[in-house]
Amino acid sequence: NAGVTQTPKFQVLKTGQSMTLQCAQDMNHNSMYWYRQDPGMGLRLIYYSASEGTTDKGEVPNGYNVSRLNKREFSLRLESAAPSQTSVYFCASSEDGQSGWPQHFGDGTRLSIL
Amino acid sequence: LAKTTQPISMDSYEGQEVNITCSHNNIATNDYITWYQQFPSQGPRFIIQGYKTKVTNEVASLFIPADRKSSTLSLPRVSLSDTAVYYCLVGDNDSSNTGKLIFGQGTTLQVKP
Repeated sequence: NAGVTQTPKFQVLKTGQSMTLQCAQDMNHNSMYWYRQDPGMGLRLIYYSASEGTTDKGEVPNGYNVSRLNKREFSLRLESAAPSQTSVYFCASSEDGQSGWPQHFGDGTRLSIL
Repeated sequence: LAKTTQPISMDSYEGQEVNITCSHNNIATNDYITWYQQFPSQGPRFIIQGYKTKVTNEVASLFIPADRKSSTLSLPRVSLSDTAVYYCLVGDNDSSNTGKLIFGQGTTLQVKP
């Protein structure tokens, strides 16, 4: 049982390039999330999907787009990467979006933008 | 606007009990309080969750007073491997959609030999 799988684990981009971060969960969870974590800081919510077919902005959505491809997969796209988007990106899933359900996290994608 | 407030850092020694308190004055009636642990280069990991009073599992205890405006994570007899960042998480009751869950800034616990 893999839980939450993120690909790739590491990536280096040049400013202006585009990229899609992939996330898949095998726990049949309804809700999925994308966070970013900058050095020495906590996690900030970028986008989330409460259920298949729905997405909504989190705390820091600018410069990102998401797609809830199906119940298992939730991708994050950077259309034109900027150095300020250098960060570690975490995907998470939970049974649903209510706080009574713990979130399960992947191991992260470390993204550097030059 | 921060939804939770925790100490930025704490130090302890092996074998001691550690208590980390989180303030969440705006907690909503239906919100649970959840604590996560994060090691370097890893995603956060669920530790414990509660709604009111006391919850205990094999890893930690969670104490929640009647007004629920704060909670305390208690780690018994910590070891060096408990050195990590601990996050307190409650629902965002300012959001129109309860899917928006906001992490606090986290508490960095350093356990010394």
